Amino acid sequence: SQQGEEDPQALSIQEGENATMNCSYKTSINNLQWYRQNSGRGLVHLILIRSNEREKHSGRLRVTLDTSKKSSSLLITASRAADTASYFCATDHTGNQFYFGTGTSLTVIP
Amino acid sequence: DAGVIQSPRHEVTEMGQEVTLRCKPISGHDYLFWYRQTMMRGLELLIYFNNNVPIDDSGMPEDRFSAKMPNASFSTLKIQPSEPRDSAVYFCASSLIRGGYTFGSGTRLTVV
Repeated sequence: SQQGEEDPQALSIQEGENATMNCSYKTSINNLQWYRQNSGRGLVHLILIRSNEREKHSGRLRVTLDTSKKSSSLLITASRAADTASYFCATDHTGNQFYFGTGTSLTVIP
Repeated sequence: DAGVIQSPRHEVTEMGQEVTLRCKPISGHDYLFWYRQTMMRGLELLIYFNNNVPIDDSGMPEDRFSAKMPNASFSTLKIQPSEPRDSAVYFCASSLIRGGYTFGSGTRLTVV
């Protein structure tokens, strides 16, 4: 499968702690994106990082990209109960291929 | 913009019936994607269009599935005949020049 792999599959933390989830992929990318999905809802785009970028920030979110390791990480700082959701990485590969990872289920305990 | 609009939100149909899912992408977006999400298989890309032209339909599971995009503001995904294993949430998403995707709210399909 060409799907990206998120790690861990599930993560449970206390409110206020930081949450880190990782995504690995197999072939060259144009960009990598992170999405959040609340239960029963569609996916919401969080952040896009292009292959020539190494780090991007958006509010409490920080995304890094290491193309040599074919991996990315999403850090959510000072987590809140409302951050409870599934988080997916999506990779836009050269050759017009698009794949979503398997997702990390994050639970933030109040 | 109202975002990506999908209809219906829920569909329950009997096995063997034809099902048509509809999507209105964001105006000006040049890519449109159809995804299927299940617990077992996660998010699967079924097909995507660029400027209304199907580019890659290799994810369409069987000939029972077909998708069209007759114009820039409308796409359909049709399943004929439907089977219980087609039960899933079907998402439509659009994007501009391979940027971030905007997803619709999905259609939850149940085939009994």
